[in-house]
Amino acid sequence: DAKTTQPPSMDCAEGRAANLPCNHSTISGNEYVYWYRQIHSQGPQYIIHGLKNNETNEMASLIITEDRKSSTLILPHATLRDTAVYYCIVVSSNTGKLIFGQGTTLQVKP
Amino acid sequence: DAEITQSPRHKITETGRQVTLACHQTWNHNNMFWYRQDLGHGLRLIHYSYGVHDTNKGEVSDGYSVSRSNTEDLPLTLESAASSQTSVYFCASSDLGLANGNTGELFFGEGSRLTVL
Repeated sequence: DAKTTQPPSMDCAEGRAANLPCNHSTISGNEYVYWYRQIHSQGPQYIIHGLKNNETNEMASLIITEDRKSSTLILPHATLRDTAVYYCIVVSSNTGKLIFGQGTTLQVKP
Repeated sequence: DAEITQSPRHKITETGRQVTLACHQTWNHNNMFWYRQDLGHGLRLIHYSYGVHDTNKGEVSDGYSVSRSNTEDLPLTLESAASSQTSVYFCASSDLGLANGNTGELFFGEGSRLTVL
């Protein structure tokens, strides 16, 4: 399973876009990029996933570089409730197995 | 509504005792996973199963066992609890593969907090 690298922490002003980067330079062709977040001590929550095209849903947008070695999760208008740990994970389409890294702690400030 | 439930939510036990954490999902998902999360750390995969009678070891499987006798349940057993196994345990499930428009999304339970004294 490919490993990912994320900054340990980031701050964002409320109402502004939060851009969370992730490096996954060893990703292979059948591996997807998934993003989850964990608010306080709750179970992680799915946000979005993609293979090679940019994706958007009601929660966020996912931008994947053309070489697929990195991606960015965008929360377009961050709110205080978006304060959480965000995990970028590479998942094989064969196994569906998620190996979590340390994630990025996003602090949204008023 | 379909859901995934864990029990007990909180448990305190003594070193050397056997402990079983239950996980039950009503989505009819084939894939089920157990993770542990220690204070200030990410989630680490303990065991996982892709279907009935299938079990696999994860990153930190020593001291833990699972069995899958039906689709809905994946109980996690600590044969002889140790203080190092004090943690929050999360169970999760997902549909099989990423075909047919499935997102492959993992659905997590609310967690079971285990303290081993």
